[in-house]
Parts: sequence; C-alpha cells; structure tokens
Amino acid sequence: QKEVEQNSGPLSVPEGAIASLNCTYSDRGSQSFFWYRQYSGKSPELIMFIYSNGDKEDGRFTAQLNKASQYVSLLIRDSQPSDSATYLCAVSGNTDKLIFGTGTRLQVFP
Amino acid sequence: DGGITQSPKYLFRKEGQNVTLSCEQNLNHDAMYWYRQDPGQGLRLIYYSQIVNDFQKGDIAEGYSVSREKKESFPLTVTSAQKNPTAFYLCASSIGQDRTGFETQYFGPGTRLLVL
Repeated sequence: QKEVEQNSGPLSVPEGAIASLNCTYSDRGSQSFFWYRQYSGKSPELIMFIYSNGDKEDGRFTAQLNKASQYVSLLIRDSQPSDSATYLCAVSGNTDKLIFGTGTRLQVFP
Repeated sequence: DGGITQSPKYLFRKEGQNVTLSCEQNLNHDAMYWYRQDPGQGLRLIYYSQIVNDFQKGDIAEGYSVSREKKESFPLTVTSAQKNPTAFYLCASSIGQDRTGFETQYFGPGTRLLVL
C-alpha cells in the first residue's frame, strides 16, 4: 500500500467551478499536511499546509483535514485556466521528511 | 532576494561519467534535501542534511553522493554507479528542526539530467 495516495487524473473542470482534489495517507501518526502545485516542467511551489482537523482557507484555496478518516483534500473555488497543473499532496510524521503522493493533474477548461 | 538556486538547468551525462548538480540557498535554512522526480511518479528522497557536515541517506541513495561543507550549499554528485540517472532533480530546504514550521520545504527550480 502506498503511503500517500492520490488519483492521477486528469480532473477536468470548467472555468469558474470548484475543483476538489483528494489525498489519503496510511500513517496514523502523520501530523503535518501540505499541498504543492507543480506546473509542467517546473518545480513544486507550496500552496497550503494544515495541521489541525477541519478547514483552512487561503483566498480561493481551502484545505480540509480529517485525521480519523486519514484524508486531506484541497478545494479550489472559481477555478481558472491558470490553475491547470499537477497538485502534490505531502505528509509528515513530525519529522523533517515529507512523503509525497504522485500528484493529481487538474485541467480547467474555458 | 531570498531563495534557492540550482544549476545548471539542463545537464548531459556521458556513460561512465560523474556529474555534480549545484544547490545554493540564502534563506538561512538549516535543512536541505535532494529529490528525484520521474515522469508520472512522486518525489523520491535521495539524501538530506539537517546540519552542516552531516547528512543522511534517503530512500534511493545508491549511485549518489553529497556533501554539506557550508550551510548555504548542498551539491549532489550523480556517479557512474547510477545506471538510470535521467530524471528531474529537485533541491529543497526547510528552516530546520526544533523551529516553528520546520516541516515546510521550499524547492529550487530543478535540474534536468539527460544521458547521452
């Protein structure tokens, strides 16, 4: 079983819609959760991190964490074509090592 | 202007050759990391260093070597023992252990290594 799992996609949504990206993890001791965006041919850039159960909002992005069910999600409201990228979920078990999922490719069409 | 720089952007390796990828950061971060990314795969940890003059193997260290002589620099050498080196190599840094937000990693622009 992979430690961090994401659906590879592509997830296709129309412009202006809400994109919902999901990630599950296997280590119940995980404490820190990160979402990175990676454009094709570029390096990952940090979008959000979340430590506590519940929702965390930052502009059009909302991260949701449910430790009991071992999943973390990223919602992108009012999706734009510029949001088209691969989104990587990363998980840390209170060490300085991150475990990355393989990413979900998001396509936002006009 | 703080950040992480990697050079070169593209690197070509001949059979049997060792090549070195550069990573420099001016964020005053204690910890630095090297990852490899292959198409359709997640990031895999090669080596990491939490402090100067100390480093640990990650999940796929075979065929690679590193040094950490300065806080700002963490070069990666891809040796001839690495039989499938073609990949996108990413360097990252974080503030370091025992400090708020130590788990958060920031990435450099990457180096794409190709075998001739």
